[in-house]
This record gives sequence, C-alpha cells and structure tokens, in this order.
Amino acid sequence: NAGVTQTPKFRVLKTGQSMTLLCAQDMNHEYMYWYRQDPGMGLRLIHYSVGEGTTAKGEVPDGYNVSRLKKQNFLLGLESAAPSQTSVYFCASSYSLGANNEQFFGPGTRLTVL
Amino acid sequence: ILNVEQSPQSLHVQEGDSTNFTCSFPSSNFYALHWYRWETAKSPEALFVMTLNGDEKKKGRISATLNTKEGYSYLYIKGSQPEDSATYLCAFAGSGGYQKVTFGTGTKLQVIP
Repeated sequence: NAGVTQTPKFRVLKTGQSMTLLCAQDMNHEYMYWYRQDPGMGLRLIHYSVGEGTTAKGEVPDGYNVSRLKKQNFLLGLESAAPSQTSVYFCASSYSLGANNEQFFGPGTRLTVL
Repeated sequence: ILNVEQSPQSLHVQEGDSTNFTCSFPSSNFYALHWYRWETAKSPEALFVMTLNGDEKKKGRISATLNTKEGYSYLYIKGSQPEDSATYLCAFAGSGGYQKVTFGTGTKLQVIP
C-alpha cells in the first residue's frame, strides 16, 4: 500500500496563476483533509470531505476550492494564487468517524507563490 | 476557533533523560485527543488516540495520559534516545456534529547524544 500520496512535491507559482494539488489514498478511507502548515502555527484545516461527492469548509478555506469526485482522490485548487498561500500543504485521510480515528498524512507539497 | 496549547514550545534533553510535555484543550464538549510524532522532512504519524477520561496509552518508551475534566494530556518519554528527536503534536476533537481535529503548534524535542 502506498498510503497517502501527494502530487506535486514542490511548486513555484507566480501571483495570479492557478494550480491543483492532488491527494490520493489507497486505504479506502471515507474522510480526507487538506491542511496548511506555516511557521509558528499548527496544522490548519483548509477543507475536508466526509465521503465521495461531499466537501466542507475548514478553518481557513478562503482562496481554495476542493473536489472529491472519487473516494480515493481529494483535489485542492488555487484559482488565483497569492503570496499569502505560500505554505506546505498536507493531505490526510482517516477511516470513518474521523475524530476518534488516527489520520494518515501524505508527504506534503511545498508551494511558493512569488 | 478552539484553543489547543502545547508546552513547552521546544526542549533539549540529554540522551537517557526522561521528559514530558503538555497539551491543554477545552474541557467542554470533548470527543477525542490525538498525539502525533513529526520527524523533520517527514509527515506526522499517529502515536495515540485517546477518548476516555483517565485513559493511559503506551507504545514502547512513550506513554500518554488524559484528563478531560481539566482539559490536559501529558506525553512522557522514558530514557530519551536521539531517534526520539521530533515535533510532537496534539490535536483536539470536540463533539458537536463535526468530525475534525484542531492541532496545537507542537513541542519540538531534541535529544542530545
């Protein structure tokens, strides 16, 4: 099992460009999450999904969109990148009832917006 | 926004020393408390998920306790080794209809050989 994978690992964007980050999991997990990690701050939840076809806003959703068309994939989109979105992005997944199940994290995507 | 605090922010210990750190969280509407270990250049890995007041969990030299009434959890490492060097994150999950956790900023542990 590959676990949770993220594509790409690194990316540099110019302000205003768009991109999509892909998260894939092969553990048949219902719940998937996108976090961003910034210096001095904990992992902050951007969006999450409780199942195929459903998404919900997290703590810091502005400037991001997500889709969960297939159970194994969770896409994070930046429509018009801003320097404030420079961060390391982590995807995670968990078995159903996410709050009392451990989360499995991907390796992260380091995004720089110039 | 839920307040999940971890202390200390960082610490250095000598190899062989035992150490502990704290996670503080809201004492109301508790659902679960997670501990994760995060090594540099890797992704967080779960250590424990604790759900009951008074819970004690152990994995090798690492153990954790939980007090939901007063809103804190302790993580203990006995006989620290250099490979224990990592950031230790706690994450609080509250009841109330949503299934997500709020992470603390972590305690960065460095074990000096």
